[in-house]
Formats: sequence, C-alpha cells, structure tokens
Amino acid sequence: DVKVTQSSRYLVKRTGEKVFLECVQDMDHENMFWYRQDPGLGLRLIYFSYDVKMKEKGDIPEGYSVSREKKERFSLILESASTNQTSMYLCASSRGLAGGYARAYNEQFFGPGTRLTVL
Amino acid sequence: AQTVTQSQPEMSVQEAETVTLSCTYDTSESDYYLFWYKQPPSRQMILVIRQEAYKQQNATENRFSVNFQKAAKSFSLKISDSQLGDAAMYFCAYRIMYSGGGADGLTFGKGTHLIIQP
Repeated sequence: DVKVTQSSRYLVKRTGEKVFLECVQDMDHENMFWYRQDPGLGLRLIYFSYDVKMKEKGDIPEGYSVSREKKERFSLILESASTNQTSMYLCASSRGLAGGYARAYNEQFFGPGTRLTVL
Repeated sequence: AQTVTQSQPEMSVQEAETVTLSCTYDTSESDYYLFWYKQPPSRQMILVIRQEAYKQQNATENRFSVNFQKAAKSFSLKISDSQLGDAAMYFCAYRIMYSGGGADGLTFGKGTHLIIQP
C-alpha cells in the first residue's frame, strides 16, 4: 500500500515562529503536493513539486515556501507563522509518467494531515 | 480558472437507502478528469471514484456510481445501500488532462458532510 506520512498530527506554534511540516512517501512517486483545508473552503493547493528541487506555486502560496531535496520528502515551511495560517495541512503524492494525461489521471494519495494552531 | 461547486454542505440519509451528492464545475477545457474523494473522521482522504471527461459511460465502483453530464458540467455521486461507514466529508475534485508541464494539483469543492442515520 502507498503510504504518505506527515511528521505531526497536531502542532501548536507561536506567531512569528518558523514552522516546518514534513511529508514522506514510500512509493517513489514523482509528484508531491501540499494542500490546506479549512471548514467551508475545502482543500486549496499551496505548492507542488514534480521532481527533486522543482517546485511550482499553487493557488495560495503566499506566506509559504517548500523544499524538496530528496524524492521521498517534501517540506512545507512557514517562514513567520501567523494566526491566519491556523489550519489543517494535507500532503499528497502521485506517480508521474511521460505524457500529461497519464500524470493527470494518476491518483493522489494523501497523508493523515497536520492540524496546525498558531497562537 | 476552474471552479468546483458543491451546493449541499450537509446531507442525511437512512442506512440502506440511496443518496446523491451534487457537484458542478466550470471549465473551458474539453479534456479533464473528475474525482470524488471521501474524508472520514480519521481525516484520511480516500479516492472513491474517478471519471474521464472523454468517456461517455458513467464510472461505477461497487455501491458508488456517478452521473456525468458533460454539457451541463455536472458530476453527481450516487451511493446505493448506504452504510454507517459511508459517513464522511465528500469532496468533488477536478483536474485538467494536460497542463503542459509539471503536475498541477486538484481543484476541490468545499465538501458535503454526509450523515448516515441508523
């Protein structure tokens, strides 16, 4: 089974702190994603990566950065956490194959989520 | 930009009955994929079913089926013989077939909370 793990289920940080959320997948997937989930808003894409050291902005990248130094690991960084970044953060991964339609079709597998509270 | 709309924030159904969750989307693309994901209280997102826009036949997975109306940009999920384990948030999602580079993420609706009454 595909396994996507996230470093913490719950995290409490203070305003201004630098926060690292880690995500690891064990299926050699090329693509990795970070989403934010808020009640009434669904999931929104923050950043994604389709290869090591490659990153692309999603719909709401402001206030976030990412790092992908190894294929299996994708980190989300909050440089200076703010209260409006209190949310559920979900990581996902998927295979990437030659041919755009195949990439699009591939199922995204999600981690269990990290509920971040910024005080 | 693509948008996905789920107009039912919450639905309730009696166990063993059938329920339909609605989803509409807006896109100018002709080739794309649509998905239904389930998120139970454990928070683990699970793919329920997916549909290729170029296929006219509606996708089915056991008790789950979709009614895909491409012209109307509608993608509803029907759950037959509802079970207590079906209780969850259900998200409709869209993905363009070919972005031209990289691997774009999914565009999600806001979700429908499904309650199963025993």
